[in-house]
Amino acid sequence: ETGVTQTPRHLVMGMTNKKSLKCEQHLGHNAMYWYKQSAKKPLELMFVYNFKEQTENNSVPSRFSPECPNSSHLFLHLHTLQPEDSALYLCASSQGHGGASDTQYFGPGTRLTVL
Amino acid sequence: QKEVEQDPGPLSVPEGAIVSLNCTYSNSAFQYFMWYRQYSRKGPELLMYTYSSGNKEDGRFTAQVDKSSKYISLFIRDSQPSDSATYLCANRRGRAGGKLIFGQGTELSVKP
Repeated sequence: ETGVTQTPRHLVMGMTNKKSLKCEQHLGHNAMYWYKQSAKKPLELMFVYNFKEQTENNSVPSRFSPECPNSSHLFLHLHTLQPEDSALYLCASSQGHGGASDTQYFGPGTRLTVL
Repeated sequence: QKEVEQDPGPLSVPEGAIVSLNCTYSNSAFQYFMWYRQYSRKGPELLMYTYSSGNKEDGRFTAQVDKSSKYISLFIRDSQPSDSATYLCANRRGRAGGKLIFGQGTELSVKP
C-alpha cells in the first residue's frame, strides 16, 4: 500500500455508539492531521500530531478523541456524536518540518453519517 | 473576514478553454500556498505548491502568487473534462506542523 489510507470508507452510527476511524500513512512522514469537511464549508483542521505529540487541538468537542500511537498511525475515537457531526473526515500527513516542501497529503476520507 | 476566500462557483467552461481560478487571503503571515484538486467523494490531491510571488508552471497548470495584493491564481490551459473537480486553495505559515487554512473551493465543470 502507498500513500495515506483510511478505514472505514463509510460509517453509519447512532448517537449512542462508539466507533473509531483509522488512518495509516506509508510515506515516512512525522506529522499527521485530522480534518473535517462538511458540505459547502471549507476543510476544518481538528488535530495535529507531530512526532506523536499533539501540537494542535482546534477547539474540538471532547466527543472526538484522537490517538497517535506512532508516526504512521492515527485514530479518531468517536462517542455520543450528534447528527451535525455527519461529514467527510480526512486524514493527512506531512514531513512536519514546516518548510517549503512540507506539503500535506490526504487520504480518501471516511464518510460519516450520524443518525 | 475569512482568512482564505474563494468564489464557490460553479464555473462551467467548454473543453479546451483556459480556466482561471482565484483566491484571496487576509493573513500576511502565510508563507506557503497550495492548490488541491478534489474529485467528488475523494480526498484532496495536491496539484501545486509555491512560496514566492510570481509564477510556477507544471504542465497545463500555472500557479500565480501576488503577495503584495494577497491574491493567488491557478490557470489551467487546454482544459479537459477530466479537470472537472473542486479546486481548493490552501495557505499556511512556516512553522513545523503548521495547519492549512483552506478556502471553500471552486467547483469546475469542463464540458466536452
